[in-house]
Amino acid sequence: AQSVTQLDSQVPVFEEAPVELRCNYSSSVSVYLFWYVQYPNQGLQLLLKYLSGSTLVKGINGFEAEFNKSQTSFHLRKPSVHISDTAEYFCAVSENQAGTALIFGKGTTLSVSS
Amino acid sequence: NAGVTQTPKFQVLKTGQSMTLQCAQDMNHNSMYWYRQDPGMGLRLIYYSASEGTTDKGEVPNGYNVSRLNKREFSLRLESAAPSQTSVYFCASSESGGWDTQYFGPGTRLTVL
Repeated sequence: AQSVTQLDSQVPVFEEAPVELRCNYSSSVSVYLFWYVQYPNQGLQLLLKYLSGSTLVKGINGFEAEFNKSQTSFHLRKPSVHISDTAEYFCAVSENQAGTALIFGKGTTLSVSS
Repeated sequence: NAGVTQTPKFQVLKTGQSMTLQCAQDMNHNSMYWYRQDPGMGLRLIYYSASEGTTDKGEVPNGYNVSRLNKREFSLRLESAAPSQTSVYFCASSESGGWDTQYFGPGTRLTVL
């Protein structure tokens, strides 16, 4: 069975600082990996996803993530955060077949202050 | 396009009452999903429908039923609500599944007293 662990439940940072949100997964089969963002009182929207190919994936709003198969990790990074990046971030995994659903981590709350 | 719409946005029920949460998508997606979100628990899958005419249980199906009414609509029913079902419920859809992006609705905030 698949599982996702987000290693930090809360990450406070100052504006313009770099940030890394950590995600590890476990699965016995090939997987697809996703990061979703949830702004306050909204639904989730996709930041980026890894399907295959280059292990460095670029997403919206300046975020990027790196797939590391040997360490079963998919950490999310941004070199310089803004106040508007304050949100909850979810890492998710799905298996390499049609008709399967996402398994989400418990989320990381990113709080950016000035 | 409206994307994924959910009704109602808010609902308060008494223990034992029933209700149906409605979800519709206008993206011609094959797969639809119901999740619940609780503080510190992330999103947990309740039921999903990989294609019209099929439904499957997710991680937390107990106390819920679903109906894939047609390709556009996927409803979630609570037959006898319990306080443990107080949560925010999200519907999502995707082209097929697995590798496809899921698009989420705005959520329904349900309180069971």
